[in-house]
Amino acid sequence: TQLLEQSPQFLSIQEGENLTVYCNSSSVFSSLQWYRQEPGEGPVLLVTVVTGGEVKKLKRLTFQFGDARKDSSLHITAAQPGDTGLYLCAQNSGGSNYKLTFGKGTLLTVNP
Amino acid sequence: GAGVSQSPSNKVTEKGKDVELRCDPISGHTALYWYRQSLGQGLEFLIYFQGNSAPDKSGLPSDRFSAERTGGSVSTLTIQRTQQEDSAVYLCASSPTRRGVVGNEQFFGPGTRLTVL
Repeated sequence: TQLLEQSPQFLSIQEGENLTVYCNSSSVFSSLQWYRQEPGEGPVLLVTVVTGGEVKKLKRLTFQFGDARKDSSLHITAAQPGDTGLYLCAQNSGGSNYKLTFGKGTLLTVNP
Repeated sequence: GAGVSQSPSNKVTEKGKDVELRCDPISGHTALYWYRQSLGQGLEFLIYFQGNSAPDKSGLPSDRFSAERTGGSVSTLTIQRTQQEDSAVYLCASSPTRRGVVGNEQFFGPGTRLTVL
């Protein structure tokens, strides 16, 4: 079973700061998804990365997929209170294209 | 358009009672998933439906858990003889089936928070 390790588990920062969170696996990802979950809501997809070395940008969020496709990072520039939430990485598991295995997430709090 | 909806949003029950959790997926989505989210445990896959059939039930933790889907739409997750360790948020997701697409996006409902006293 592939395990996804996310770090840090908790992160509390001030508005305007930059941050990076990480997602690592001992095995190669076929693809990796990043989701954000706000309190009382379900996760919402932010991005899917497929190609090793791929970089995708979504406004102030930058997603990188490692060259070996075993790790990924999410960098947020000039964090805002609206970025507060649980950031989850997920990958298709068991050779399927439907079952997602999630990491435990990074709980980000951005203080005004 | 309407997203995935789940009911009830909160459920408090006594140990040993049965509960039913409902999921209404996005119209036209053929795939439906149930996950469980416990504090500190992340999201745990329970079961996957393609249409009305469940080709993967591997995540159901015990035979007290069952799920069905009718008309290729609404799904119900049933937990019999609930235990305190069943307390969690139960999330439902749906997705369109796109053959050969890697990393199919799943659309999640807001979840049902189950508390077993």
